[in-house]
Amino acid sequence: QQKVQQSPESLSVPEGGMASLNCTSSDRNFQYFWWYRQHSGEGPKALMSIFSDGDKKEGRFTAHLNKASLHVSLHIRDSQPSDSALYFCAASPTNTGKLTFGDGTVLTVKP
Amino acid sequence: GPKVLQIPSHQIIDMGQMVTLNCDPVSNHLYFYWYKQILGQQMEFLVNFYNGKVMEKSKLFKDQFSVERPDGSYFTLKIQPTALEDSAVYFCASSLGTTSAETLYFGSGTRLTVL
Repeated sequence: QQKVQQSPESLSVPEGGMASLNCTSSDRNFQYFWWYRQHSGEGPKALMSIFSDGDKKEGRFTAHLNKASLHVSLHIRDSQPSDSALYFCAASPTNTGKLTFGDGTVLTVKP
Repeated sequence: GPKVLQIPSHQIIDMGQMVTLNCDPVSNHLYFYWYKQILGQQMEFLVNFYNGKVMEKSKLFKDQFSVERPDGSYFTLKIQPTALEDSAVYFCASSLGTTSAETLYFGSGTRLTVL
């Protein structure tokens, strides 16, 4: 079983709308979560990290972590066409930079 | 922001040949990584490297794989000999530290095609 699972596989939202992406881990060793974004032809770029229960907000992006259920989400408000990309959830155990990635969610923001 | 450069962007070779993938990490970073992404599949950790040594490797890091960073130059991934299943995009990454709080910076990848 894959240790980091993302949903949905793809998502389409109108410009200015809210996009919500989900991620669940099946490994309780994973305590640190990251969201990465990858535009076509580029490498993944870190969007934000979340290590504590609750919400973390950075600009239009809000991550939410529930450690009890090992569920993390990413919400993008006021979505822009430039937000169209592949979004990865990644997780790691304590004290290591080794990341386990999910399969990704393709986000399309339509003008 | 910090940039990781990967050379070449594409490489096509015949099965059984040797290939070297090059990575120029962020200048003050100390930890280096290779990840492998097969088309349509998730990105998977291969190896991480610090102070001239492999720190951790996954089961995907076969005996035919090796990494090095001679004299602070490129961080390289060498595959010798290559196999058809090595066809993938290989991403290099670097970080300042190795705790989970450190951001990994990724290059744009090298697409390797083994014929």
